[in-house]
Amino acid sequence: EAGVTQFPSHSVIEKGQTVTLRCDPISGHDNLYWYRRVMGKEIKFLLHFVKESKQDESGMPNNRFLAERTGGTYSTLKVQPAELEDSGVYFCASSQVRDRPTAFFGQGTRLTVV
Amino acid sequence: AQSVAQPEDQVNVAEGNPLTVKCTYSVSGNPYLFWYVQYPNRGLQFLLKYITGDNLVKGSYGFEAEFNKSQTSFHLKKPSALVSDSALYFCAVRPLLIKAAGNKLTFGGGTRVLVKP
Repeated sequence: EAGVTQFPSHSVIEKGQTVTLRCDPISGHDNLYWYRRVMGKEIKFLLHFVKESKQDESGMPNNRFLAERTGGTYSTLKVQPAELEDSGVYFCASSQVRDRPTAFFGQGTRLTVV
Repeated sequence: AQSVAQPEDQVNVAEGNPLTVKCTYSVSGNPYLFWYVQYPNRGLQFLLKYITGDNLVKGSYGFEAEFNKSQTSFHLKKPSALVSDSALYFCAVRPLLIKAAGNKLTFGGGTRVLVKP
């Protein structure tokens, strides 16, 4: 069974440009999460989808970040326009129903804004 | 609000010696506790979790962790470290009751483990 996959693995963009990150969760997992680790600090929650609905987006830093999960399958996270402080590693995770709390993570996308 | 503390940025240990990575947490109510590991150029990999039951939980690659409610700790341990255990380790917590803070995990800052031959 395939794990959580993320694309691209690395992205280097200039300040002001737009970047879209993609996450394909484990098949059958309704819960999908985005997290990020900035500047070697702790991994922080961004948002949580249940199927195609945003369950919790309290961690989204500002309106330059837009996450979607059309059809309840893969998800995209768009940063527009990117700023220097957005650099970091963006992780996606998925899990099954609420009584199975283990979240499985992808390999992450390393975003560098220059 | 929930929080996790990993007091050591780095732990150095000789191969064959015991390895301990410390974690303390704060959460409303009972916790779900997790350890994840990130090997170089890899994603976060689930190691083990505590939900209920036996305070000592066993996970992948010979790792185990002990839940201590009175000390609010969940230290990760391995009796005999291998060079291949060198990686970044993250402790995470989530409340047992989802309504308290949703499904999201709160992570510690990570501890880098270096096992020397």
